[in-house]
Amino acid sequence: DAKTTQPTSMDCAEGRAANLPCNHSTISGNEYVYWYRQIHSQGPQYIIHGLKNNETNEMASLIITEDRKSSTLILPHATLRDTAVYYCIVRDNNDMRFGAGTRLTVKP
Amino acid sequence: DAMVIQNPRYQVTQFGKPVTLSCSQTLNHNVMYWYQQKSSQAPKLLFHYYDKDFNNEADTPDNFQSRRPNTSFCFLDIRSPGLGDAAMYLCATSRVSYNEQFFGPGTRLTVL
Repeated sequence: DAKTTQPTSMDCAEGRAANLPCNHSTISGNEYVYWYRQIHSQGPQYIIHGLKNNETNEMASLIITEDRKSSTLILPHATLRDTAVYYCIVRDNNDMRFGAGTRLTVKP
Repeated sequence: DAMVIQNPRYQVTQFGKPVTLSCSQTLNHNVMYWYQQKSSQAPKLLFHYYDKDFNNEADTPDNFQSRRPNTSFCFLDIRSPGLGDAAMYLCATSRVSYNEQFFGPGTRLTVL
């Protein structure tokens, strides 16, 4: 599996957009980019995934660069409940392996 | 609501005393996973079942075993827990291997 690099931590003001970057420079053509988050003392929660096109759902948007070497998860209007560790994972059809993730803190 | 259930949420065992953690799902998913998550670390995959086929990660200690008697249930057995096995144990399911995974709330294991 390709490796990912994420900032260790980020802060965001409540109501503002949170933009979480992820580098995956060794991604191969059949690997997807997945995002999960883990709120304290809960199991991880699926957010969104994509292959090469940008994706949007009710939780977030995923922007993948044209060369697919990096991506950004966007939470358009962050709330205090979005405080969590966000994991960017690159995977093919096989098992999922978590990296260290980004600890996002949304502040009032 | 369809979901992944883990019981108990908190488990205390003694050093060397076998312990079993359970996971059940109402999603009717084919794949069930067990992850170990130690404090301040990312979840680490231990093994998974695709239907009845067991797939062990290469670095999962022999001390950890799993059983899946039917589609809905999967168990994690720790034969002789050590202090280093204290962790959150997460169960997850997916319809097939490449789909998104749905996680349970986890069982926090304490070893005394």
